[in-house]
Amino acid sequence: GDSVVQTEGQVLPSEGDSLIVNCSYETTQYPSLFWYVQYPGEGPQLHLKAMKANDKGRNKGFEAMYRKETTSFHLEKDSVQESDSAVYFCAHIDSGYALNFGKGTSLLVTP
Amino acid sequence: GAGVSQSPSNKVTEKGKDVELRCDPISGHTALYWYRQRLGQGLEFLIYFQGNSAPDKSGLPSDRFSAERTGESVSTLTIQRTQQEDSAVYLCASRTSTRRGAEQYFGPGTRLTVT
Repeated sequence: GDSVVQTEGQVLPSEGDSLIVNCSYETTQYPSLFWYVQYPGEGPQLHLKAMKANDKGRNKGFEAMYRKETTSFHLEKDSVQESDSAVYFCAHIDSGYALNFGKGTSLLVTP
Repeated sequence: GAGVSQSPSNKVTEKGKDVELRCDPISGHTALYWYRQRLGQGLEFLIYFQGNSAPDKSGLPSDRFSAERTGESVSTLTIQRTQQEDSAVYLCASRTSTRRGAEQYFGPGTRLTVT
């Protein structure tokens, strides 16, 4: 099965809404966890990361908590803006050196 | 400074032809990765180079795929006898550190279309 599972498809909040994009991962070790963001025509870029349990990654009002007990790394924001619209990928690095990506969540914030 | 660059940005080829994709990593980055992104999907790891060590080829989907890197510079990904299922965006990334948590910097990708 997939080692990273995230909210699939498109999420369509209105500007000012709160946001949660779920991410769960499978691991046998102690992975590093990431959220990457991808804008049209570009490669993904690092959005935030957390290296160990109970670390919280933060960037541009987004947060994600590394929860080892539930193997989750949900992306949250209190109030989304139209400029947040992009595709977001949850990813981890487990035993190797390559990123394992979820399938991506397309966020489209309507004004 | 300059980021990761890839060429060509778009490539259309006929089924059965060979293609070569190029990646120029950020100068000084010792690690280089190739990933594949199919339409509407996440990225799939293909191959990883770290300095002069033997590459990790565990993600290559078939023996039609190969990649080379000379030292810590340019890398080329070659797909022989292309098939329609090879159509995807091929992304290259580089990283400066051997720490697993170090950021990978992605290029803009090469969009390959096999007709």
